[in-house]
Amino acid sequence: AQRVTQPEKLLSVFKGAPVELKCNYSYSGSPELFWYVQYSRQRLQLLLRHISRESIKGFTADLNKGETSFHLKKPFAQEEDSAMYYCALSAEHYNTDKLIFGTGTRLQVFP
Amino acid sequence: EAGVTQFPSHSVIEKGQTVTLRCDPISGHDNLYWYRRVMGKEIKFLLHFVKESKQDESGMPNNRFLAERTGGTYSTLKVQPAELEDSGVYFCASSPGFLGGAGGATDTQYFGPGTRLTVL
Repeated sequence: AQRVTQPEKLLSVFKGAPVELKCNYSYSGSPELFWYVQYSRQRLQLLLRHISRESIKGFTADLNKGETSFHLKKPFAQEEDSAMYYCALSAEHYNTDKLIFGTGTRLQVFP
Repeated sequence: EAGVTQFPSHSVIEKGQTVTLRCDPISGHDNLYWYRRVMGKEIKFLLHFVKESKQDESGMPNNRFLAERTGGTYSTLKVQPAELEDSGVYFCASSPGFLGGAGGATDTQYFGPGTRLTVL
């Protein structure tokens, strides 16, 4: 079964500290992995996707197929990074590209 | 460009009543999705429209839920009759065109602000 696991409900760090939000997935095919973010009083928005292999707002995520992981990392957290982060996968089906989400991790960055 | 809009932003109803949620996708987007987040749980897929056709409704919980997208523009999601467990935040998302299939990349889905449904 397709599943996305985010083991941490809450991650609290101080400004300037490194951040790693964990995401593991289970899927037998070749999934596309995404990180979505929801800032306070804003809508859910795409942060980055693994096929882009780019850094957004200082965040990076590498797809590790051996460990079935797609952890989100940032070397120096900022207060404005405080938000809810969701890892998601899109199953490669011929007729749909629905997203399967994890339960989310709330990141709190203290000054 | 206006983003995905949803109405109402919040709805409070009693068990047994009917509620209709509306989603207006980004203009020109063929794909429209409904998702739901029940408190404490993950955001779950409900269904996917391509234009006016239901492409995948595997996530619809039961026959109390009815989704429509007449004319391939806005969509409605009706819950009738509502039950306590239907409470949650209902999200709508849209994307331009489907590039799925072998080797195809998934379009970015743009989300609306959500409708918070409370069933008392």
